[in-house]
Parts: sequence; structure tokens; C-alpha cells
Amino acid sequence: AQSVTQLGSHVSVSEGALVLLRCNYSSSVPPYLFWYVQYPNQGLQLLLKYTTGATLVKGINGFEAEFKKSETSFHLTKPSAHMSDAAEYFCAVSYGGSQGNLIFGKGTKLSVKP
Amino acid sequence: DAGVIQSPRHEVTEMGQEVTLRCKPISGHNSLFWYRQTMMRGLELLIYFNNNVPIDDSGMPEDRFSAKMPNASFSTLKIQPSEPRDSAVYFCASTAGSGSSYNEQFFGPGTRLTVL
Repeated sequence: AQSVTQLGSHVSVSEGALVLLRCNYSSSVPPYLFWYVQYPNQGLQLLLKYTTGATLVKGINGFEAEFKKSETSFHLTKPSAHMSDAAEYFCAVSYGGSQGNLIFGKGTKLSVKP
Repeated sequence: DAGVIQSPRHEVTEMGQEVTLRCKPISGHNSLFWYRQTMMRGLELLIYFNNNVPIDDSGMPEDRFSAKMPNASFSTLKIQPSEPRDSAVYFCASTAGSGSSYNEQFFGPGTRLTVL
């Protein structure tokens, strides 16, 4: 069965430091790829997505992710962390179809130290 | 569009009581998902509907849980009887499925359920 692996349930960075959140999927067929963010006491909201075309995808709040087919990865990065980036981040994949179901990773909680 | 609407936002009930959570998906979306989120188990898919038909309910924990989607604009998740271990945040999400949406799911704000 397809799965999504997020390395590290908790990542801590200093303000201004690089943010790197890792996501790998298990499939020989490239899926659609998503990153969602969940701020405390809120629902999930889409940060960015990859469907086709350019493999480097830019999202909201300065985040970007690169789809690397050879590595089956879709890691999320941000050059300089801000205190407001503290949240939980979920990677998800979809294989299309009319039903729209996503397979979510277990999430990575990002802490940003002043 | 108002987005996915869930009610109530908070529910506190006593063990053994029936709980009904409600969801209104985004107009025009044809798939609806119910998730449960806890500290211990993270985000779990409970059930999803496509065109009002339940497609996969394998995530429903047990027979105490049931979900319905009587029409395209309304769904309920019912727990009867409720137990303290059902305490969690329940999210509803909807998507337009195939097409230009590429299955992006839109989440509601969630219902925080506490069973005493």
C-alpha cells in the first residue's frame, strides 16, 4: 500500500535558520504531492502542492518544496524561519481519481526558538 | 465561499451520551472526508464519501460510530454511546475530486469533543 513517511515528528530551529522538513512517499507512480500546515487550534490549510510541470513549487509564507522523482521525496524548505512558522506540517499524496482521497504522513511539529 | 462549515465547534458530553457532529462541505465538492485527530494517534481518516455514497469506512473505530451523507450539502458523524477515549478533534474536509483541483482537500475548523 502507498504510504507517506515524514522523518522527525518534532523539528526545532532557531529564528532565522533554515527550515527543512522531510517527506518521502512509497510508489513507483508519481503522485500529486501536498504540504498542509496546521496552526494551534485550527484546521489544516494547504501550503503548496505539486501536480505536474516544474518540480520546484513555491507556496505561501515563503515555503517551497522540490519534487525529486529519483528519491521519491518532496521535502519542504524555508530559508529563514520566523516565529510564526511554529505549527504542525503534514505531507500528503494523492493518486488522482474522482474520489479525492489523500494519504497523509504523521506530521512534523516545528518549533522556532527566538 | 464560506469554506467547510462544522458544528458545533466544541462539545462536552458525558460518557454514554449520543454525540452528533455536523459538516457542510463547500458547494460543488463531490467528496467529503471525516478525520479524527488526537495527540496519541495523530490524524486518522475515519470515512469518506463520494457523491454522497460511503466509499471507505475502514477507519471507523467501531460500531458506536456512524456517518451519513443524506445530500450533497450535509453530513453527520454520530457516536452512540460516547466514551472518554473518543475525546479528540474531529475534522471534516471536502474536495472536488478529479479535475483541476487535483484532489486538494479543504478542511473545516474542527469540532473539539470532550467526553467526561
